[in-house]
Amino acid sequence: GAVVSQHPSWVICKSGTSVKIECRSLDFQATTMFWYRQFPKQSLMLMATSNEGSKATYEQGVEKDKFLINHASLTLSTLTVTSAHPEDSSFYICSARETGPYQPQHFGDGTRLSIL
Amino acid sequence: GNSVTQMEGPVTLSEEAFLTINCTYTATGYPSLFWYVQYPGEGLQLLLKATKADDKGSNKGFEATYRKETTSFHLEKGSVQVSDSAVYFCALSLGGYQKVTFGTGTKLQVIP
Repeated sequence: GAVVSQHPSWVICKSGTSVKIECRSLDFQATTMFWYRQFPKQSLMLMATSNEGSKATYEQGVEKDKFLINHASLTLSTLTVTSAHPEDSSFYICSARETGPYQPQHFGDGTRLSIL
Repeated sequence: GNSVTQMEGPVTLSEEAFLTINCTYTATGYPSLFWYVQYPGEGLQLLLKATKADDKGSNKGFEATYRKETTSFHLEKGSVQVSDSAVYFCALSLGGYQKVTFGTGTKLQVIP
């Protein structure tokens, strides 16, 4: 149980294009989803927290106009990297937390984004 | 603020060796504690958790005990396998709905 599906797993695109990444909770409802960026040497940076039906809460230093997050249903959140540039190349990971207190986060398998 | 400190890696062990990865935390209340594992090219998987002092989380031969007096949650395994090679993240969450704070991760390499 508690499976999170992230799609696509790998995307390569040209500089200036926009890229959408989907995160789905397959067998549970997730009121809250999280988006992370993972840098070389493995450190995870929380980018934003999204709650179903409301605006995402972005961490300090994350450009909300560049990283658009939508959480329209209890099973789907999307991250759109707008006008992507090579410095946006990274490994992006989503996670979803089951509804209710003290629930752990369940992670997707990540999306490798490469901007040429 | 809340923070998690892990030992720096990589940690390299021979198969069947004993594993300890140290983790200590700083928190303003009584957190829930977690260990996550990330295999190459994948996302993170919850390995084990403990929600109160003296709880022991265990899974797949790994164990960690929530030590309030030392604010620690060290990960142990009696006999590691090559398939345990991965990055291990210690994490905490305060309150029922708070976001998770991660350590920087410790890479484990197990050699045959």
